[in-house]
Order: sequence, then structure tokens, then C-alpha cells
Amino acid sequence: DAGVIQSPRHEVTEMGQEVTLRCKPISGHDYLFWYRQTMMRGLELLIYFNNNVPIDDSGMPEDRFSAKMPNASFSTLKIQPSEPRDSAVYFCASSPGRRTGPLHFGNGTRLTVT
Amino acid sequence: AQSVTQLGSHVSVSEGALVLLRCNYSSSVPPYLFWYVQYPNQGLQLLLKYTSAATLFKGINGFEAEFKKSETSFHLTKPSAHMSDAAEYFCAVRLLEPGGGADGLTFGKGTHLIIQP
Repeated sequence: DAGVIQSPRHEVTEMGQEVTLRCKPISGHDYLFWYRQTMMRGLELLIYFNNNVPIDDSGMPEDRFSAKMPNASFSTLKIQPSEPRDSAVYFCASSPGRRTGPLHFGNGTRLTVT
Repeated sequence: AQSVTQLGSHVSVSEGALVLLRCNYSSSVPPYLFWYVQYPNQGLQLLLKYTSAATLFKGINGFEAEFKKSETSFHLTKPSAHMSDAAEYFCAVRLLEPGGGADGLTFGKGTHLIIQP
């Protein structure tokens, strides 16, 4: 079990540029979550998928953010255009079909927008 | 709505001393509770999880948590702190939506555990 894999680990970009974060969940997990972590707001749930279908995107801050899950083994979180206030660590997590189970987190992508 | 409150953003203990990290939850339905640990520049690692029909739960690295429904608490303890325990600790709750759908974890603000030599 390779765990949840995120790429890149670090991303530095200029304001206005497009940023794409990638995630490979654990094989067999039905749920995939995107979280954002900042000092000010802690861990925030942005969006989650069940069987590749977005279920709740109410945490997505604004239309500049979008997420897709084209298949069971891959998801992306895109920010376009990026702004300095988007600087944060973005985590992807997955969990098996049991709704009461824990989430398994990747090591995160640290995004810096200058 | 579900939420968790972690009392104390920073807790400092001496090496070998008892560790107590507090977590209270608010929920109108039975919650599913978890503790996670985050080491610097790493993701969140599951420390322990609540399962029904028990009140004391053992996790990794010698940590335990006791579920007290009457106090709506799920405090994390460890009898003897090690230097390697220095990290950020998060309490989290996961509820089933009334319609049966799943929700993500709602996290507390975290407690930074400092171990004094």
C-alpha cells in the first residue's frame, strides 16, 4: 500500500498563473477529499468525491478553484488565476466505503503564490 | 452542526511527564471521533479512532483516548512523554448526514505539543 500520493510537494508560482495539484488515492478507496491548511483557518474541507462524483463542493472558496476526478485513481485541484492568499498546504485524503472510517492523508502540496 | 474544540493551542510538558490533550465535541447524533498527529512538513497520520461499544481506545506510540459521552469529551493521553512526541495533534469528528451521506472530517484547531528536556 503506497498511501495517498500527491504531487508536486512544493509549488511556487506568480500571481495570476494557473496551478494544478494532483492526487492519487489509495486503491479501492471510494471517497476522496481535498483539504487546505493555513495558520489562520486551520484545516478546511474544500470538496469531496464519492465514486468519482463530486458530492459537496461548498468549501471551495470561489470560482477560481475547481476539482475533477476523471477516474478512481486520479484527481486534480486547479486554481486559476492564483492569488497570494491561496498560499497554503493542500492535502488530499481518501477513505474506504465505510462512512465512519478514518481518512488517509497524503503528504500535501505546499503552494506559495508570490 | 458538528464541531470539535481543542483546549489549548500549545501544551508544554517535560520529558517523562503525563501528556493530556483536550478535545470536546458538539453533536446531536453519535459522533465518530479521531485523533491525528502531524509532524513538521508531513501529512496527517491517524493516531487512534473511536469505535462504538467501548470508552477507552489505544492508538499508536502509546497514546490513548477516553470517550466520555456525559462530558462530550475525547481527551488524548500518554503516561510518559518522549521527545519524539513533539508535533501538532488534531481531534476530528465525522458524522453521518441525516440522509445517510458521508461527510469529511471536521478538525479542531490543533494543539502544538512541546516536550521540554
